[in-house]
Amino acid sequence: GAVVSQHPSRVICKSGTSVKIECRSLDFQATTMFWYRQFPKQSLMLMATSNEGSKATYEQGVEKDKFLINHASLTLSTLTVTSAHPEDSSFYICSAAGDYSGNTIYFGEGSWLTVV
Amino acid sequence: RKEVEQDPGPFNVPEGATVAFNCTYSNSASQSFFWYRQDCRKEPKLLMSVYSSGNEDGRFTAQLNRASQYISLLIRDSKLSDSATYLCVVSGGGADGLTFGKGTHLIIQP
Repeated sequence: GAVVSQHPSRVICKSGTSVKIECRSLDFQATTMFWYRQFPKQSLMLMATSNEGSKATYEQGVEKDKFLINHASLTLSTLTVTSAHPEDSSFYICSAAGDYSGNTIYFGEGSWLTVV
Repeated sequence: RKEVEQDPGPFNVPEGATVAFNCTYSNSASQSFFWYRQDCRKEPKLLMSVYSSGNEDGRFTAQLNRASQYISLLIRDSKLSDSATYLCVVSGGGADGLTFGKGTHLIIQP
């Protein structure tokens, strides 16, 4: 089946630095990728939707200059958390939809970000 | 207004029992419905899609009621390994993204 790989699985960074998270579709072309954030005991909240080759569409309340999303190819999307703060500490998950039949969307393994 | 609502639980159920969850959604134009399972500190994994006619996969049965805008998940003969959070997920379809409920926490007790 389709596989989406996310890296790194865990990252700790200092406050004020930037962190990049990668999301790759391994065996299909992901025309659309989604980035979610999940705080403890909360549901997944959609941050942004990115289509290959175009600018990401951000959900209300998500700062596009803080959460930079790049979807430059059909197999890779990146999320960069800029000037990270401790409140950005969360579980970030990507998912992808692409050139296969059906409505299934596949998730990456998620990335735990801790900002100290 | 919450778009997808679920009872957060926890549901404490003895092993072997049958347990059912419901989920309501607010967008009547929703087209696709899913149940995902999420283990602690892991990504969600698709458990099953939910079809209008209802569908069954082993011990799991999912049903959709469009008129009342709810979906349900029934787990029969529950196993210890069924302990997880079950997420109700609704979509406009395809690449429109998913809207998640907060999840129902299920604990199967020996």
